[in-house]
Amino acid sequence: AQSVTQLGSHVSVSEGALVLLRCNYSSSVPPYLFWYVQYPNQGLQLLLKYTSAATLVKGINGFEAEFKKSETSFHLTKPSAHMRDAAEYFCAVTLGHQLIWGAGTKLIIKP
Amino acid sequence: GAGVSQSPSNKVTEKGKDVELRCDPISGHTALYWYRQSLGQGLEFLIYFQGNSAPDKSGLPSDRFSAERTGGSVSTLTIQRTQQEDSAVYLCASSLVGLAGVHTDTQYFGPGTRLTVL
Repeated sequence: AQSVTQLGSHVSVSEGALVLLRCNYSSSVPPYLFWYVQYPNQGLQLLLKYTSAATLVKGINGFEAEFKKSETSFHLTKPSAHMRDAAEYFCAVTLGHQLIWGAGTKLIIKP
Repeated sequence: GAGVSQSPSNKVTEKGKDVELRCDPISGHTALYWYRQSLGQGLEFLIYFQGNSAPDKSGLPSDRFSAERTGGSVSTLTIQRTQQEDSAVYLCASSLVGLAGVHTDTQYFGPGTRLTVL
């Protein structure tokens, strides 16, 4: 059965520092993977998705993620954090028409 | 419309009352999904529509929950005899027609309806 684990319910980084949000999945079939972001009091917005093309996926706002089959991971990174990146980030994997979601990671940016 | 809209944005109700939550998907999107987001948790799938049909209702937590979609567009999620554990944010999403069996199309989310059951 598909499942998603996001390590760390809260991640705190300084402005300008590297952002790394971890996502590991389990899937019995080749997965399709997504990262969504939820800004305070706003709806979910797609950051990027992996659908079996290039393993390094670039998304909006300078974020990217790398699909590593051997590690069953799809970690989200950004070289330099900005205050506006403060939000909650969700990793998800498809199960047919459903999306199976991780519990989310709240990204805190320290000035 | 430009995006997925949901109404109301907030709903406070008393235990035992019925509530209706509405979702207007993006025009032309045939797939529509309802999710529930409880405090501090990820999203929980409730139901999926393809057109007006709901081939997967497996996420509905009890028979107090039902949903319909008319005209391949607007959807209504109804919760009867609400309980306090129903308090959550209910999210609707829509997408273009997905490939049979595997959906890689992006799901576009509405802002949600925050339901509070007193």
